[in-house]
Parts: sequence; C-alpha cells; structure tokens
Amino acid sequence: GESVGLHLPTLSVQEGDNSIINCAYSNSASDYFIWYKQESGKGPQFIIDIRSNMDKRQGQRVTVLLNKTVKHLSLQIAATQPGDSAVYFCAETSPTGRRALTFGSGTRLQVQP
Amino acid sequence: EPEVTQTPSHQVTQMGQEVILRCVPISNHLYFYWYRQILGQKVEFLVSFYNNEISEKSEIFDDQFSVERPDGSNFTLKIRSTKLEDSAMYFCASRDLERGEQFFGPGTRLTVL
Repeated sequence: GESVGLHLPTLSVQEGDNSIINCAYSNSASDYFIWYKQESGKGPQFIIDIRSNMDKRQGQRVTVLLNKTVKHLSLQIAATQPGDSAVYFCAETSPTGRRALTFGSGTRLQVQP
Repeated sequence: EPEVTQTPSHQVTQMGQEVILRCVPISNHLYFYWYRQILGQKVEFLVSFYNNEISEKSEIFDDQFSVERPDGSNFTLKIRSTKLEDSAMYFCASRDLERGEQFFGPGTRLTVL
C-alpha cells in the first residue's frame, strides 16, 4: 500500500551544526505534509507543515523542503541544540487534514555536546 | 496553552480484560483521533471521530475496539478483550475545523500481561 518512509534510522550531529532529516513518500496524491518531533515518553509534537503547492517553508530554526518530482521532503534544523534530540516523523494527510495521518517510521536525532 | 490530556498514563491489565483509555481533547476542537505506537515502531492510525460518529478507521480497529464521546469533554477508547499484541502507547489527538494540524496528548502506555 501507500507508505511514508524515512531514509535513516539515526542521525548524530554536533551541537551547533545543521541537521537534515529526510523522508520519502510513495503516494503521488499526497497533498499535505507535517513534521512531528517525539521526545521520549511523550506524544508527537507539531514542528512544521507544508502543502503540495509549496516547495519550501520556514519556521523558527526549521525549514521543510518538498520535492514533488522525486516524492521527497526534508527537515532542516539550523544550529542544532541538545534539546532537539528526539525522534522525528514525517506524516502525510489530505489537504483539509481530515484524513488520518500516515506516519513514517521515524529518525532518531542525537545531538552531541 | 491548551493541550490534549490523557489518563491514565500507564495501564496494566490481564489478557482478556476490558480497558478504557480516556482523553480530553482541546476544548474548541471538533475532530478526534486515536493512534497507537508499538514500542520502537511508527505511529499507526486507529480511528477518527467527528460529529459524534466514526469518520474513518483502520484495519487495526476491529470489533474489539470502540470509541465514545460520553460528554462534551471526554473521548474514550475501549478495548473489550485485550490481547498481548494490544500492548502499545495509545495517543489521542484533536484538531479544529480550520487547520490540518493535529495536536497529540502525552499517551497512555498499555501493558497487557
């Protein structure tokens, strides 16, 4: 079936470096993408979203890039901090957000001090 | 800042017993969801609920599962006869009418012995 998946299970970076987390999706009809951060023992926390009519969206220290041609999106975290250590999931849903989220398998980001 | 709350944080039960997981969504939200996450795996959709009825459910959500909004604030997930494989973190989420972003609760860890 359709799926949303991640390239790397673990990413280790030095504090202060930029981090890039990647995600591939297979449903060409996907319209709305969300990145979630999940810290240990907590629920997923919204980071940033992007709709399919956009290629890039920026937030505070985070940027999401969407390449519809190759069905790939990425999350860039600038000046990574220890508090950024968590598992990051990409998720996909319909444009209205009414359809359930389909989550990828997650990437663990480890920030080394 | 309003947040989704869930109780209990941890539920231990014997196989075959019924459990009820409780959620209080954000007060002005109209769409409600249950997801589960087996340890080390990705978050999986169970069911969505809108206007006092199920709007979408996954294959996981079989006859052993039910949801209810018994009053204006609570949203519950009932598992009638728990199985060992029901052991997981169960997350409740809610969203409002306009935005696609789903807000997640902290989860209930269900352990079936």
